[in-house]
Amino acid sequence: DAGITQSPRHKVTETGTPVTLRCHQTENHRYMYWYRQDPGHGLRLIHYSYGVKDTDKGEVSDGYSVSRSKTEDFLLTLESATSSQTSVYFCAISGYNEQFFGPGTRLTVL
Amino acid sequence: GDSVTQMEGPVTLSEEAFLTINCTYTATGYPSLFWYVQYPGEGLQLLLKATKADDKGSNKGFEATYRKETTSFHLEKGSVQVSDSAVYFCALRNTGKLIFGQGTTLQVKP
Repeated sequence: DAGITQSPRHKVTETGTPVTLRCHQTENHRYMYWYRQDPGHGLRLIHYSYGVKDTDKGEVSDGYSVSRSKTEDFLLTLESATSSQTSVYFCAISGYNEQFFGPGTRLTVL
Repeated sequence: GDSVTQMEGPVTLSEEAFLTINCTYTATGYPSLFWYVQYPGEGLQLLLKATKADDKGSNKGFEATYRKETTSFHLEKGSVQVSDSAVYFCALRNTGKLIFGQGTTLQVKP
């Protein structure tokens, strides 16, 4: 299995609070991704990174920011959480023509 | 833009039945195509892939053939087992990003 961990695995928070999710890899891959998974929508790309300090927006980036100060860590921040951001969040890293996914973080915004 | 469409689920089959999950895509150029599987409570795992037209990906008894003429990548298995119960995602990779279909839930009953 590719070495990808996500923390926390579960989180419950309140509307308006900031939340940071962490993705950590031990594979030294250049590309890292954040997705959200919602029923009927599959996985949708939020942001991705193609190197340290190099990031770009995905399909559903509004309300989210990311940072990557080290190759191994990719942080996703919800600046002010809303109920519409209740979802399961997956991090992924990109190997040769294949993406490997982390175990996911289930976030509930009350 | 690029997109992937999967047949709607859930699909319910009896053990040893034949499985087909339809997937069609829209993309410019020559995307790579993937099937991912998600077991309950887990992240996505790559099931199989095909990188060019007429390639057949196969794994664990599942097969899919890259059909450029019909822009399809249908997933098939000759005899499903209860352990195949999961959500299946078709995806394409073009310009470095993965684009997913909405997922199809498969339930196999003994």
